[in-house]
Amino acid sequence: GAVVSQHPSRVICKSGTSVKIECRSLDFQATTMFWYRQFPKQSLMLMATSNEGSKATYEQGVEKDKFLINHASLTLSTLTVTSAHPEDSSFYICSARLGGAGYNEQFFGPGTRLTVL
Amino acid sequence: GIQVEQSPPDLILQEGANSTLRCNFSDSVNNLQWFHQNPWGQLINLFYIPSGTKQNGRLSATTVATERYSLLYISSSQTTDSGVYFCAVNTGRRALTFGSGTRLQVQP
Repeated sequence: GAVVSQHPSRVICKSGTSVKIECRSLDFQATTMFWYRQFPKQSLMLMATSNEGSKATYEQGVEKDKFLINHASLTLSTLTVTSAHPEDSSFYICSARLGGAGYNEQFFGPGTRLTVL
Repeated sequence: GIQVEQSPPDLILQEGANSTLRCNFSDSVNNLQWFHQNPWGQLINLFYIPSGTKQNGRLSATTVATERYSLLYISSSQTTDSGVYFCAVNTGRRALTFGSGTRLQVQP
């Protein structure tokens, strides 16, 4: 099956530091990856769409200068949380789209739990 | 944007019981997926089911696209089935829009 990895799985950092999260599609190429955020006991909310070789598309209310997304290859997208603050503490999950003719399924990474002190 | 509603929000079952989870969506979609989020947060793909019926072991799903709903059936539930079940939909190559989930607890 299609496998998506994320690293790190858990990170604790001090307020004001930057944190980079990697999302990789291990056994398929993904021109499009997505970044979601999930707060405790809530559903997943889309943050941005990451397209290989072009700028990411951010959802309304998501600060593009705070959440930097880079999709440099067909198997890797990164999310950098810049100058993190306690309110950025959350569970960040990426997904990659496995598509073909008439087929469009998404697979999710295991998530990264960010705690900002 | 498209709205996705799931019911019930919470469900407690005794081991061995059967259950039906429902997902309603507000507009036509090309794709619908069911996920199980385990206690560690990992989303497990259960079904990719834009229409029709599929079965995988004790789980089965049916999507009636023309009536904008999907059902997930869990039979002979086990404690390992506990967790949150999400329905998510999209059109084309867009990101998925998630429902609010059904939190299932299976008691021994």
